[in-house]
Amino acid sequence: DAGVTQSPTHLIKTRGQQVTLRCSPKSGHDTVSWYQQALGQGPQFIFQYYEEEERQRGNFPDRFSGHQFPNYSSELNVNALLLGDSALYLCASSLSLPSGPVDEQFFGPGTRLTVL
Amino acid sequence: QQQVKQSPQSLIVQKGGISIINCAYENTAFDYFPWYQQFPGKGPALLIAIRPDVSEKKEGRFTISFNKSAKQFSLHIMDSQPGDSATYFCAASVTGAGSYQLTFGKGTKLSVIP
Repeated sequence: DAGVTQSPTHLIKTRGQQVTLRCSPKSGHDTVSWYQQALGQGPQFIFQYYEEEERQRGNFPDRFSGHQFPNYSSELNVNALLLGDSALYLCASSLSLPSGPVDEQFFGPGTRLTVL
Repeated sequence: QQQVKQSPQSLIVQKGGISIINCAYENTAFDYFPWYQQFPGKGPALLIAIRPDVSEKKEGRFTISFNKSAKQFSLHIMDSQPGDSATYFCAASVTGAGSYQLTFGKGTKLSVIP
């Protein structure tokens, strides 16, 4: 059973560029959340996607956007990159039931983004 | 505003000893408290989690103690091993009320020395 997968593993961009990161959730999961983890810090919630819509958003600017596809995979897009966007970007998958979301979130290995 | 405060920032424990990591939260609506373990270059892995209707949960060498009145919870690692050397994060979330994000502490780097 494949866990959460993310691509690419590493990425180097320059300021002002745009980047797209990809995530495939764990088999059987339908909900994808994205987190940003700066060096030496805990992950910070960016947003969550369910049924191809953004369900909740954290305190991140509109430069951060996302998408979820019918197969539940997801993309994170960041426009107009800043030096401060350098971080490990983590995707977490979970399952949403009719009664509400299941608590457990399973994380992928992350994409290390470096902005020069 | 940091809603989950974690301490210590780093911890050195001898093999066979007990590692204790503490977290305090502010939001009384939090009702799910997981701990994650992260190795360098890897994503966080769910270790153990607790809900506030119990005061303690044990899974193998890992125990969560929860004090609802003090708004604190802690992770105890018994018989610590060098393979436990990693960064540990506590987290909290509000479930079943339309809030799905995990709020993380800043992490504790644990080093278990032989």
